[in-house]
Amino acid sequence: DIQMTQSPSTLSASVGDRVTITCRASQSISSWLAWYQQKPGKAPKLLIYKASTLESGVPSRFSGSGSGTEFTLTISSLQPDDFATFYCQQYNGYPRTFGQGTKVEIK
Amino acid sequence: EVQLVESGGGLVQPGGSLRLSCAASGFTFSNYWMTWVRQAPGKGLEWVANINQHGTESYYVDSVKGRFTISRDNAKNSLYLQMNSLRDEDTAVYFCAKDTSTQLWSYYFDQWGQGTLVTVSS
Repeated sequence: DIQMTQSPSTLSASVGDRVTITCRASQSISSWLAWYQQKPGKAPKLLIYKASTLESGVPSRFSGSGSGTEFTLTISSLQPDDFATFYCQQYNGYPRTFGQGTKVEIK
Repeated sequence: EVQLVESGGGLVQPGGSLRLSCAASGFTFSNYWMTWVRQAPGKGLEWVANINQHGTESYYVDSVKGRFTISRDNAKNSLYLQMNSLRDEDTAVYFCAKDTSTQLWSYYFDQWGQGTLVTVSS
């Protein structure tokens, strides 16, 4: 199985901060990586796919980069609506696997 | 508008069975891979199983192999998850998710249902 490891697990930040979340794969997954945002009690929402392609309707302050085994999700200027938990997910092999999540909290 | 509505969750004793359903609308259901993802209380997301457009190919996470069966009825625009021999650790919210792929390989998930809670407890 491909293990996905996110860091940090929790991040405290203020509105306007630049935030970066890292996702590492246990083996190369090329660019077959998606990022999701989940708010409490809600379903996840797709943000980015193929490592760096922004899903339609997602604000441009979100961006993704990386390939192979190391990936990052960046929020250029954190907004009040962005406080949530973020997950990466690989779709290079089976079983599909998610990172353990990164919770972005208000500082 | 795409809608995915799960149903069938509830309280079941260990060793029991439950069948989850997901009613899809707003897209051509028969064109897409479909997936079940679960989330234990206070925990992260776990991919459970997926199925191709025709219902002829499916994959499972090891922890549910031999106990869970994913299926679909394209005539009814519905996805199912038959869960047998349930264990305490199967307690979770189960989400139905639409894959973006209409091809031979599944990808990522662009639409999700609201989830249905399965509680396994005596």
